[in-house]
Amino acid sequence: AQKVTQAQTEISVVEKEDVTLDCVYETRDTTYYLFWYKQPPSGELVFLIRRNSFDEQNEISGRYSWNFQKSTSSFNFTITASQVVDSAVYFCALIKAAGNKLTFGGGTRVLVKP
Amino acid sequence: EPEVTQTPSHQVTQMGQEVILRCVPISNHLYFYWYRQILGQKVEFLVSFYNNEISEKSEIFDDQFSVERPDGSNFTLKIRSTKLEDSAMYFCASSEAPSGGHYEQYFGPGTRLTVT
Repeated sequence: AQKVTQAQTEISVVEKEDVTLDCVYETRDTTYYLFWYKQPPSGELVFLIRRNSFDEQNEISGRYSWNFQKSTSSFNFTITASQVVDSAVYFCALIKAAGNKLTFGGGTRVLVKP
Repeated sequence: EPEVTQTPSHQVTQMGQEVILRCVPISNHLYFYWYRQILGQKVEFLVSFYNNEISEKSEIFDDQFSVERPDGSNFTLKIRSTKLEDSAMYFCASSEAPSGGHYEQYFGPGTRLTVT
């Protein structure tokens, strides 16, 4: 069975601060994909980033970056220089290769204050 | 940019009533999914559907639930006899091919179902 844990339920920062969201996962599959989704107050789910289990190279995309550590089963996500519009709930998710089912973590609510 | 659409955005129904939630997936997508999110909780997988068949379902997806692709564009989720605990946001998603991460699941905006 797969499991995704986001230990932080809520993070509050002041605008322009960096914020790092933790995600730890469990899976017996050797090939899998990890995602981060954003859920703004309007409620929709917005895809942010995807990483496959074979690629541990960490990347930066604009103000977003991620740190994938297969050895510790972690897939952390950082927003650099946060903005008020980043206020949302962020979900980490996992899917096995050729699978159908995304397994989501419990989400972390990020509040960015001006 | 193509998107998944869902109707209605909000549905209020009485306990015991049947509801049908509608989704229009992205036109060239072949795989369809329903997820739900009880208020303040995580998003949970309900069912996946391909080639007019359920390909996978969760333990939540019991006999009260059914899915259908009644025509070439719509994908529906029916709840036969709603219960209070069915109150949630229901998300439809679609993907071009078996998701498995390589093909992203695109989510619709959700239908908020309130059972009174």
